[in-house]
Amino acid sequence: GAVVSQHPSWVICKSGTSVKIECRSLDFQATTMFWYRQFPKQSLMLMATSNEGSKATYEQGVEKDKFLINHASLTLSTLTVTSAHPEDSSFYICSARDDENIYEQYFGPGTRLTVT
Amino acid sequence: RKEVEQDPGPFNVPEGATVAFNCTYSNSASQSFFWYRQDCRKEPKLLMSVYSSGNEDGRFTAQLNRASQYISLLIRDSKLSDSATYLCVVNTWDTGRRALTFGSGTRLQVQP
Repeated sequence: GAVVSQHPSWVICKSGTSVKIECRSLDFQATTMFWYRQFPKQSLMLMATSNEGSKATYEQGVEKDKFLINHASLTLSTLTVTSAHPEDSSFYICSARDDENIYEQYFGPGTRLTVT
Repeated sequence: RKEVEQDPGPFNVPEGATVAFNCTYSNSASQSFFWYRQDCRKEPKLLMSVYSSGNEDGRFTAQLNRASQYISLLIRDSKLSDSATYLCVVNTWDTGRRALTFGSGTRLQVQP
């Protein structure tokens, strides 16, 4: 089956620093990728839709200047959390939509971010 | 009102029990429906799609009622390994993007 990787799987950083999370589709091309955030005991919330070659589409309430998304190739999207604060600590999960089958989305294993 | 609503549980059931989860969605324009399973600190994994005619995969049966905007999942002969959070997921084509909307999940704990 299709595989999506995320790196790093977990990261601890200090307040005020920036953290970059990578999402890669390993065996398929993905023009569209999605970034989700999940707080403990809550559901996954879509943060933004990442589109290769164009600007990301952010959900209401998500600051685009704080969560920078770059989808530079058909297999890679990055999410950078800028000036991280403890309230940004969360589980960030990406998913990638297979260009050959737009009805399928494949999830990465997630990145656990802890901001101290 | 949340777009996708689920009973958070937890549902504590003995091995071998039958358990049912319910879910309602608010957007009548939603086109496709899924149940995902999420283990603690892991990404969600697709369990099964849900079709209007109802569908079964082994011990799992999913039902969809579009008129009532209601989705269900039935698990028969529960196993310890079924312990997880079950997410009801709805796919809606909205402003040109096909996004998944997740319910908050129903936690199942199967006990020996």
